[in-house]
Amino acid sequence: KNEVEQSPQNLTAQEGEFITINCSYSVGISALHWLQQHPGGGIVSLFMLSSGKKKHGRLIATINIQEKHSSLHITASHPRDSAVYICAVRPTGGATNKLIFGTGTLLAVQP
Amino acid sequence: NAGVTQTPKFQVLKTGQSMTLQCAQDMNHEYMSWYRQDPGMGLRLIHYSVGAGITDQGEVPNGYNVSRSTTEDFPLRLLSAAPSQTSVYFCASSPRRRTNTGELFFGEGSRLTVL
Repeated sequence: KNEVEQSPQNLTAQEGEFITINCSYSVGISALHWLQQHPGGGIVSLFMLSSGKKKHGRLIATINIQEKHSSLHITASHPRDSAVYICAVRPTGGATNKLIFGTGTLLAVQP
Repeated sequence: NAGVTQTPKFQVLKTGQSMTLQCAQDMNHEYMSWYRQDPGMGLRLIHYSVGAGITDQGEVPNGYNVSRSTTEDFPLRLLSAAPSQTSVYFCASSPRRRTNTGELFFGEGSRLTVL
């Protein structure tokens, strides 16, 4: 079993829909990252969370440390949001850049 | 501001050849890492560094070598390429601050094929 599990693996949505991507992990962590990767492209950091909730534009990320679960929400989705969304965790006591990654959620937003 | 620069973007090698993937960042970040990305698998850490002169192994270090002689550069060396090393490689950097906001900066990736 992977230490970081994402669901769903694939998601197709219509433009304007509210989208939720989930990340569950089995290790104690000090931080969790959400990343975005466009097809054939590089990787962009969206959020780092250690507690609570963060918002940036139409993106909202939440984390529940006790339940070992995080969600990434996209409001009013747009075709340009189509990408792979990756969750990564920093285990407690590990180096800041020693991360464990999920396999990603492939999101397709159709116009 | 260039950010994290990786070269080359594409490379084809024959089994047994050696090569170096270059990674440079101009943000004065202490932390740098190398990952490989394979289909159906998450990014996996190869080697990482927490500062100049300090490197450590990640999850999949075999067949790779790194050094960190300067803050800016973190090259990844493939000693004797094998087909199993066919992958997309990403370099990443992040700052070390007392109130680290955790930004991660990735290079654009290097696609390596070993025949």
